[in-house]
Amino acid sequence: DTEVTQTPKHLVMGMTNKKSLKCEQHMGHRAMYWYKQKAKKPPELMFVYSYEKLSINESVPSRFSPECPNSSLLNLHLHALQPEDSALYLCASSHGTYNEKLFFGSGTQLSVL
Amino acid sequence: GNSVTQMEGPVTLSEEAFLTINCTYTATGYPSLFWYVQYPGEGLQLLLKATKADDKGSNKGFEATYRKETTSFHLEKGSVQVSDSAVYFCALGGPGTYKYIFGTGTRLKVLA
Repeated sequence: DTEVTQTPKHLVMGMTNKKSLKCEQHMGHRAMYWYKQKAKKPPELMFVYSYEKLSINESVPSRFSPECPNSSLLNLHLHALQPEDSALYLCASSHGTYNEKLFFGSGTQLSVL
Repeated sequence: GNSVTQMEGPVTLSEEAFLTINCTYTATGYPSLFWYVQYPGEGLQLLLKATKADDKGSNKGFEATYRKETTSFHLEKGSVQVSDSAVYFCALGGPGTYKYIFGTGTRLKVLA
């Protein structure tokens, strides 16, 4: 299994809603990432978990809250988002050492109304 | 700091044409270099990578050579197909960090 699975594929939410994005991998990878991608732009790093500990937070607003319950799962909890947060949210994983290739999921297309 | 500069797109080619997408980088130390491809509605997929100077990465007819003297990692393919139409991202990784620096992406459109 060389897949990173993200759910849901599409999400529409209001600015007062609370929702969660989920990401799962069964490749034994120990680093997991959240990226945000706007249309026609490169992915922007949001968070990195390394061995289930938060390793990087790229000064992301607190309305985004990551969680890594175990080595296979990564969640992104969303609360009180703004319309400008509408984007494709990509999860990725890598073996756990630096400079290794990233395996990306297909993403969650999020629309905030 | 580290950075990646990638040629602007879109690039439009006829089928079987030769492809070059330029990528140059600035980095301290010895980074790894990657090319990722993104098809519409999907996440990024690794196309090829190189970890040290003079390494050549190759996959599916695509090639790129890690040139330290010119700080470049240009993507080439001898004969493109319609199915190669996608967005291509050059990326730099490390050393000593989980932060990958992505170029701005180059959209390729191949016409039959």
